[in-house]
Amino acid sequence: GAVVSQHPSRVICKSGTSVKIECRSLDFQATTMFWYRQFPKQSLMLMATSNEGSKATYEQGVEKDKFLINHASLTLSTLTVTSAHPEDSSFYICSATAGRNFYEQYFGPGTRLTVT
Amino acid sequence: ILNVEQSPQSLHVQEGDSTNFTCSFPSSNFYALHWYRWETAKSPEALFVMTLNGDEKKKGRISATLNTKEGYSYLYIKGSQPEDSATYLCAFIKGGTALIFGKGTTLSVSS
Repeated sequence: GAVVSQHPSRVICKSGTSVKIECRSLDFQATTMFWYRQFPKQSLMLMATSNEGSKATYEQGVEKDKFLINHASLTLSTLTVTSAHPEDSSFYICSATAGRNFYEQYFGPGTRLTVT
Repeated sequence: ILNVEQSPQSLHVQEGDSTNFTCSFPSSNFYALHWYRWETAKSPEALFVMTLNGDEKKKGRISATLNTKEGYSYLYIKGSQPEDSATYLCAFIKGGTALIFGKGTTLSVSS
């Protein structure tokens, strides 16, 4: 099956710093990549959708200036949490689709971000 | 607001038991429903993509049904094994690409 990697798996940073998370599709070209966030005991919440070479579409309530998404190639998308604060501590997970099979998505293993 | 509800939230069964969970979703503007299995520290793994009312899909001991008119899907596991322990997520597809997830059902199977 299609493989998506995500790096890092865990990161701890200080309040006010920025953190970049990478999401790569390893064996297929992803027409679209998605970024989700999950708080404890909650569902995966879509943050943004990005297509290669174009600006990401953010969900309502997600600050685009805080969560910068770059999708420069068909195999790589990055999420940068700028000026992170403790309330940004969460589990971030990406997925990618090749646009087939009713948009079946392939997920990375996620990144646990802790902001101290 | 689109809501996907899953029940039960968690479930504990003995090895060999059969079990099922429910996913409820908005029945209007239905496009597709996805089921995923998510083991701890791993990536969610796609189980089924379901699109047609009355669909039944099967993968080994796991099967799923779909009722788009009333807005629900059932996931069944026959003869549960410890390796089936995971969180099972369903997701309703919105606007062609984006998935709206339920909170999941966490299954624990004891040997």
